Amino acid sequence: DAKTTQPTSMDCAEGRAANLPCNHSTISGNEYVYWYRQIHSQGPQYIIHGLKNNETNEMASLIITEDRKSSTLILPHATLRDTAVYYCIVIIQGAQKLVFGQGTRLTINP
Amino acid sequence: NAGVTQTPKFQVLKTGQSMTLQCAQDMNHEYMSWYRQDPGMGLRLIHYSVGAGITDQGEVPNGYNVSRSTTEDFPLRLLSAAPSQTSVYFCASKFIDNTEAFFGQGTRLTVV
Repeated sequence: DAKTTQPTSMDCAEGRAANLPCNHSTISGNEYVYWYRQIHSQGPQYIIHGLKNNETNEMASLIITEDRKSSTLILPHATLRDTAVYYCIVIIQGAQKLVFGQGTRLTINP
Repeated sequence: NAGVTQTPKFQVLKTGQSMTLQCAQDMNHEYMSWYRQDPGMGLRLIHYSVGAGITDQGEVPNGYNVSRSTTEDFPLRLLSAAPSQTSVYFCASKFIDNTEAFFGQGTRLTVV
C-alpha cells in the first residue's frame, strides 16, 4: 500500500472551509484514497473515498489531483464537532489490512 | 442495527491475568479486525478475519489470540496480560470487497 504524508496539525475557524491535504506520491493505479476521522478517542468513522474523480457526500468533498499524487479533503462549513484526527489512507478496494498513520489533528476554533 | 458492539468499555487487569474482549456485529460483514491505539498514536492492526474459521495476523499480534466461530463474533483474548498491553482496543468490521469499515466504541484496558 502507498504511504501517505499528512500535516501533524491544522486549525480552522468555525464556519470556514477546512482543507486537509494528503500526499501519496507512490499511489498505484488500482489504489483508492480513503478518509476516516476519529473524534476524541471514539472509534474511527468513515468519511469518503475516491479513485480519480472528485467525490462529494453529505459530510465532505474529496479533490484528487490529475496525477493522483495528492488529494484534499474539504469540510465546507466546519463546526466545533469536526474537531478530530483525520486519517488519509491509500489502499486497494477490498484490502484486508487498513493501515492508519498519525493523521492530522484538526482543531476548529470558535 | 446496533452496528459493532464491544464489551466491556473499561477493564483493569493485573499483570498475568487473562481476559477476553468481546466484539459483535449485526451487519453480516465477512471481515472483522482488532486494533490497538496507544496514547498519541495511530491505530495498529492486531488480528483480522475474513470469515468464520479464518484468521490472520496484523502488525502487532504477539500476546493476543483470536478465533472466529461465527460471522457475528470476533473475540480477542489476552492470555497473560502485561503492562505493555495497556491501550484502547477497537474492533472493526466491513464487507470483504469494500474498504468502508465500521468501528466499535472501544475498550479501554489498563494492566497494572
